[in-house]
Amino acid sequence: KQEVTQIPAALSVPEGENLVLNCSFTDSAIYNLQWFRQDPGKGLTSLLLIQSSQREQTSGRLNASLDKSSGRSTLYIAASQPGDSATYLCAVKTGANSKLTFGKGITLSVRP
Amino acid sequence: GAGVSQSPSNKVTEKGKDVELRCDPISGHTALYWYRQSLGQGLEFLIYFQGNSAPDKSGLPSDRFSAERTGGSVSTLTIQRTQQEDSAVYLCASTAATGLDSSPLHFGNGTRLTVT
Repeated sequence: KQEVTQIPAALSVPEGENLVLNCSFTDSAIYNLQWFRQDPGKGLTSLLLIQSSQREQTSGRLNASLDKSSGRSTLYIAASQPGDSATYLCAVKTGANSKLTFGKGITLSVRP
Repeated sequence: GAGVSQSPSNKVTEKGKDVELRCDPISGHTALYWYRQSLGQGLEFLIYFQGNSAPDKSGLPSDRFSAERTGGSVSTLTIQRTQQEDSAVYLCASTAATGLDSSPLHFGNGTRLTVT
């Protein structure tokens, strides 16, 4: 059974700091891994999707890496801004026609 | 284009009543998922549709929960004889295809269900 862990549950940083959010998963046989952002009272917005054959993906100030063999992914946020404050969730898909298994998320607060 | 639409956005019901939650996926998306999110908890998978069939309904917590999808589009999640522990945000998501690694999930804003 796939399990996804995100630690810590919450993080507070000053504006401008570069930061790394961690995600670990127990079954390395994955199809893809996705990072999502969730704002309060809203649904999830997909940020980055890393295919099983890829090592990283970049979008603007965001960079996500994937190390399947160690069961880890990181989301790097450069030059953080108060608008980046949200909950960031990691999810893995383990089969072609399967569900995504989510971590519980990391709630990020960027202080002005 | 339009995103995933869920209705109602909020639903308050009395314990023991039945409720229906609706999801309109993005047009052309063949795969549809239902999840629920309780306060302080992660997203709990409920059911997955590919077209009108549900190859994985392993997450439905009891036989009070059922879901259907018609015309490969709209889906309804029905909860019978609601209990207080059913209170949560119910999220629907759709994606263009499965078996393709590059298809991200698109979520609706959810239905917040409160059972009193």
